Amino acid sequence: EDKVVQSPLSLVVHEGDTVTLNCSYEVTNFRSLLWYKQEKKAPTFLFMLTSSGIEKKSGRLSSILDKKELSSILNITATQTGDSAIYLCAVSGAGSYQLTFGKGTKLSVIP
Amino acid sequence: NAGVTQTPKFRVLKTGQSMTLLCAQDMNHEYMYWYRQDPGMGLRLIHYSVGEGTTAKGEVPDGYNVSRLKKQNFLLGLESAAPSQTSVYFCASSEDRGLRQPQHFGDGTRLSIL
Repeated sequence: EDKVVQSPLSLVVHEGDTVTLNCSYEVTNFRSLLWYKQEKKAPTFLFMLTSSGIEKKSGRLSSILDKKELSSILNITATQTGDSAIYLCAVSGAGSYQLTFGKGTKLSVIP
Repeated sequence: NAGVTQTPKFRVLKTGQSMTLLCAQDMNHEYMYWYRQDPGMGLRLIHYSVGEGTTAKGEVPDGYNVSRLKKQNFLLGLESAAPSQTSVYFCASSEDRGLRQPQHFGDGTRLSIL
């Protein structure tokens, strides 16, 4: 059974801080790891990491996949109140149609 | 620029009532999914479809049925609602299995069973 564990479950920081969110996984025949941001409604896609693409960056957000350690981190630099959200990590395995999601990390950025 | 549209957005049911949640996507995606999200539980897959006319069970299928009669629509049915089915339901679609392309989500349906 595939498994995704995210840590911490919640985090409160001040604007301007840098945060690191963690995701560890167990999956048969790993294919990809995805990060989503969920504000009030739909999760929105951030990054997909695969064996051929272990680092992604977009503005203040970046993510790295460590296949040896079976984990990934999501970094957010110079945080803003608009970064407040639940960040979801999900993995997929070869031959599976399913994404397995972690429980999410709730990030609160206070002014 | 609709993407994935879910109706209704909110619904309150009494125990034992039935209802259908509708998901519509305009991206011509083959794959569609229904998830439920509960506090502290993350997203859990209920059922999914790999194409028109196909459906399959996910992680938590009991108490739900689905149909995919048209490629753009994926219906989730509750035949006899139970309080344990109080949740936020999300529909998603993708071009493939999600291995090369991400899943795109609707805004969710908040369902309360009294």
